[in-house]
Amino acid sequence: RKEVEQDPGPFNVPEGATVAFNCTYSNSASQSFFWYRQDCRKEPKLLMSVYSSGNEDGRFTAQLNRASQYISLLIRDSKLSDSATYLCVVNRVDSSYKLIFGSGTRLLVRP
Amino acid sequence: DVKVTQSSRYLVKRTGEKVFLECVQDMDHENMFWYRQDPGLGLRLIYFSYDVKMKEKGDIPEGYSVSREKKERFSLILESASTNQTSMYLCASSLESTGELFFGEGSRLTVL
Repeated sequence: RKEVEQDPGPFNVPEGATVAFNCTYSNSASQSFFWYRQDCRKEPKLLMSVYSSGNEDGRFTAQLNRASQYISLLIRDSKLSDSATYLCVVNRVDSSYKLIFGSGTRLLVRP
Repeated sequence: DVKVTQSSRYLVKRTGEKVFLECVQDMDHENMFWYRQDPGLGLRLIYFSYDVKMKEKGDIPEGYSVSREKKERFSLILESASTNQTSMYLCASSLESTGELFFGEGSRLTVL
């Protein structure tokens, strides 16, 4: 079983739709969680950190469910510019330096 | 803005050649990382460094070595390139151990 698992997609949604991605992690002791965004042929960039209480940044909401060991990303009112791959990232508990990346969920927003 | 610069965007090398990938960051970050990214496998950590001359193996260090002689520069070395090292290589830096990673644009290496 992979340490961090994501549905690869693609999720194909119309502009204005709400879309949600989940990501599951295997180590219950993981402490730090992040969502990164990667545009086609570009480097990953931090989208948001995921806190225990959940957090919101404009149209984006991230949630952590420790009991079920998953994190989620909700995008409301999708824009064409949201089309990208979204990477789930979890820290490895035996070393705070080691972040484990999921293989990503691809989102396509169509006009 | 933090800038992480990788020396080459695209390289084509032959099997057995020695390959150097260079990475420079301009924000005085302590930590630097080398990842490779392959379809379906995500980013995998090759090596990281938390200080000058300090390095630790990541998940897939075999066939690679690194050098950090100056704080701003972290080099990845393939002593004898093989076809299974064809990949996108991404360098990153961070200020704190669990802080945000800033990536370079990547170096796409093809080994023939």
